[in-house]
Amino acid sequence: RKEVEQDPGPFNVPEGATVAFNCTYSNSASQSFFWYRQDCRKEPKLLMSVYSSGNEDGRFTAQLNRASQYISLLIRDSKLSDSATYLCVAYSSASKIIFGSGTRLSIRP
Amino acid sequence: GAVVSQHPSRVICKSGTSVKIECRSLDFQATTMFWYRQFPKQSLMLMATSNEGSKATYEQGVEKDKFLINHASLTLSTLTVTSAHPEDSSFYICSATDLSGGRGSTDTQYFGPGTRLTVL
Repeated sequence: RKEVEQDPGPFNVPEGATVAFNCTYSNSASQSFFWYRQDCRKEPKLLMSVYSSGNEDGRFTAQLNRASQYISLLIRDSKLSDSATYLCVAYSSASKIIFGSGTRLSIRP
Repeated sequence: GAVVSQHPSRVICKSGTSVKIECRSLDFQATTMFWYRQFPKQSLMLMATSNEGSKATYEQGVEKDKFLINHASLTLSTLTVTSAHPEDSSFYICSATDLSGGRGSTDTQYFGPGTRLTVL
């Protein structure tokens, strides 16, 4: 079983829709969690950190459920520019960083 | 946000040659740098963790004699792919973070733009 698992997608949704991804992690010692966005043939860029209390940044909301060991990302009012691969990342220590395989999102006009 | 540069952005070389990739943190001191490899349509795979002034820690399955890492300063880490072969062709990405625990330190990783290596 992978330490961090994501549904690879692709998720194909119309512009303006709300879309949510989940990411599960197996290591209960994982301490920090992040969502990154990666465009085709580019480096990942930090989208947002994920806190236990949940956090929101504009149209994006991230949640962490430690009991069930998953994190989620919700995108509201999706834009064409949101099309990308979304990677979840779990840290169990400074030297143990695991990336999920990514979820591909495609927004259609 | 913090800026990390990588050089070169793209390299094409013949089989058997060695290729050096530089990763620099431009506006912060990177106590730790990470080297990743990404094959097409796959996620990033951590190759090694590089701490300034000490030997790199390699992930299982990564040959340390083939992928030489040097983190000589708080702003520079280099990855040398020795005797490169076609199967080493990949997208190599570094990231940097400041884990010193001092003011402004964070475990957020900042990624370089990547180096696309093609070995003929």
